[in-house]
Amino acid sequence: GAGVSQTPSNKVTEKGKYVELRCDPISGHTALYWYRQSLGQGPEFLIYFQGTGAADDSGLPNDRFFAVRPEGSVSTLKIQRTERGDSAVYLCASSLGGTPGSTDTQYFGPGTRLTVL
Amino acid sequence: GESVGLHLPTLSVQEGDNSIINCAYSNSASDYFIWYKQESGKGPQFIIDIRSNMDKRQGQRVTVLLNKTVKHLSLQIAATQPGDSAVYFCAEGGGGNKLTFGTGTQLKVEL
Repeated sequence: GAGVSQTPSNKVTEKGKYVELRCDPISGHTALYWYRQSLGQGPEFLIYFQGTGAADDSGLPNDRFFAVRPEGSVSTLKIQRTERGDSAVYLCASSLGGTPGSTDTQYFGPGTRLTVL
Repeated sequence: GESVGLHLPTLSVQEGDNSIINCAYSNSASDYFIWYKQESGKGPQFIIDIRSNMDKRQGQRVTVLLNKTVKHLSLQIAATQPGDSAVYFCAEGGGGNKLTFGTGTQLKVEL
């Protein structure tokens, strides 16, 4: 079956611009996660959705970052007024979810490489 | 967690040998642990996971060992193959669904 897909695979933008990154989770997965990975480091958690709602957004670095999942499937990560320090690979993952208090296996997409010039 | 920037710890092994990759985790309350393999330009790929009520779990050619006393996790790969070359990350979860990743280890398999 299809895995997690992310578009675009690469995005180059200029400082100050707005960008949207899209994630299509595995069909039937109710939980969706966004992580950010800088070069040479492990992924860092940004936000977690259970269904349509953001259950944990404690990893979002500031209010320029926002994510939505209006129908409980596809999610969009939105970054306003991009800065050079936002350059990274943005990874999306999904899991079956639905078990409160229990961590289940997260499956990652290929990521979107964002470059802010 | 710690950051090593661009200089990942590297493990070099001969093809056919066994590999052992180690990881120290930080949160005593973590109850779920997972290993991912990441190849260049790709997202992390699930390898194997283990919950805190176990100390060993085996998969195909891989074994994960968990020592909660010293907060240590290891991944053993049997008969390492060239296709195993990648960066390996351990991650811990504490019931809140988010994963905290450790510093990766670059595995290089020499022919």
